[in-house]
Amino acid sequence: EVQLVESGGGLVQPGRSLRLSCTASGFTFGDYAMSWVRQAPGKGLEWVGFIRSKAYGGTTEYAASVKGRFTISRDDSKSIAYLQMNSLKTEDTAVYYCTRAPFGRGSYYFDYWGQGTLVTVSS
Amino acid sequence: DIQMTQSPSSLSASVGDRVTITCRASQSISSYLNWYQQKPGKAPKLLIYAASSLQSGVPSRFSGSGSGTDFTLTISSLQPEDFATYYCQQSYSTPRTFGQGTRLEIK
Repeated sequence: EVQLVESGGGLVQPGRSLRLSCTASGFTFGDYAMSWVRQAPGKGLEWVGFIRSKAYGGTTEYAASVKGRFTISRDDSKSIAYLQMNSLKTEDTAVYYCTRAPFGRGSYYFDYWGQGTLVTVSS
Repeated sequence: DIQMTQSPSSLSASVGDRVTITCRASQSISSYLNWYQQKPGKAPKLLIYAASSLQSGVPSRFSGSGSGTDFTLTISSLQPEDFATYYCQQSYSTPRTFGQGTRLEIK
């Protein structure tokens, strides 16, 4: 059974940093791209970024709203994806979801999601 | 950036109804369009990928169609568990934008 479990959320002051982890099980982690999606309270879904599998270079892409502040990385030996968030802003307050991103029919999609972890940026 | 616009933003329907939700992209995205369902307090769930491919385990009453800029998600006969918010998402280019969501409510 595929499982994704996020951790590391919490309350943080503006300008500070936080690192989220996504621990995967039930599949060969290294074979898949992984993505992060967030949802501000009462709002819709916003794609944050993703990291390709090593077979596709392990490269990353980001939304403009987080580029230069957030970094996605992966440790295939531990089946963990990370979201390092620096220079946090109040508008980064959201539930952050980790997703598995298979490549099929010519593109990536998000087939399994974690339960989400809440990040609150406030003084 | 590619903008995704869903209509309607909200919809009231009854159990057994046939429901269609539309999603329009601001430019052509070929068939790189996915649909998700989200219930309150829960993570989204993938329903349809690549415009018309049904995700494993999703009931066959859900179907997707379209290409280019115009797409639809159809629920052939609404069931009580289908009342939720639905999102489209383009996977053609970065940023991988979502629509604003369509809230499906019980009439």
